[in-house]
Amino acid sequence: AQTVTQSQPEMSVQEAETVTLSCTYDTSENNYYLFWYKQPPSRQMILVIRQEAYKQQNATENRFSVNFQKAAKSFSLKISDSQLGDTAMYFCAFLLQGGNYQLIWGAGTKLIIKP
Amino acid sequence: EAGVAQSPRYKIIEKRQSVAFWCNPISGHATLYWYQQILGQGPKLLIQFQNNGVVDDSQLPKDRFSAERLKGVDSTLKIQPAKLEDSAVYLCASTPVITGGGANVLTFGAGSRLTVL
Repeated sequence: AQTVTQSQPEMSVQEAETVTLSCTYDTSENNYYLFWYKQPPSRQMILVIRQEAYKQQNATENRFSVNFQKAAKSFSLKISDSQLGDTAMYFCAFLLQGGNYQLIWGAGTKLIIKP
Repeated sequence: EAGVAQSPRYKIIEKRQSVAFWCNPISGHATLYWYQQILGQGPKLLIQFQNNGVVDDSQLPKDRFSAERLKGVDSTLKIQPAKLEDSAVYLCASTPVITGGGANVLTFGAGSRLTVL
């Protein structure tokens, strides 16, 4: 069975700083996808970024980028030039290719951006 | 395109009462999920539909929870009778038809927050 671990329950940084959120996962499969979702206080779960396991290149979306280390089963999220609006819970999620299409979720990291 | 609609946004009930939540997914999305999210935790899948059929309801407490998706469009999740531990946010999400090689992104609604007193 697949598992996802986020070891940082809470982090806080000053506005404009760079922050990295950690995520590790466990699987014996080779074909899968990884996601970072953001959940602000409004509760809407919003996709931040996704990575296909077969791609060696790390995904980037504007200020958000990932460091995907397949052999180490690590998938960290880097937020550059952090903004107050980045304050939210961040969830790492794993999706096995094929099957029933169900996400496996980490417990989340609460990120606070201080002014 | 319109997003995933959920209602009500908030509901407060006494234990042993009943409650129903409604979800309207994005038009054309065949797959619909209901999640329970307890404060401080990640979402827990309750039930997954593809069109109007159930794909997985293994984590749905069937003695008190029920869900349906008539006509394969909108869906209702019901709790009867509610317990204190049912206090949570109930998230609905949808995605296009599941394809073996794809990575269709789940789109979430804003959730319904339930407080059971």
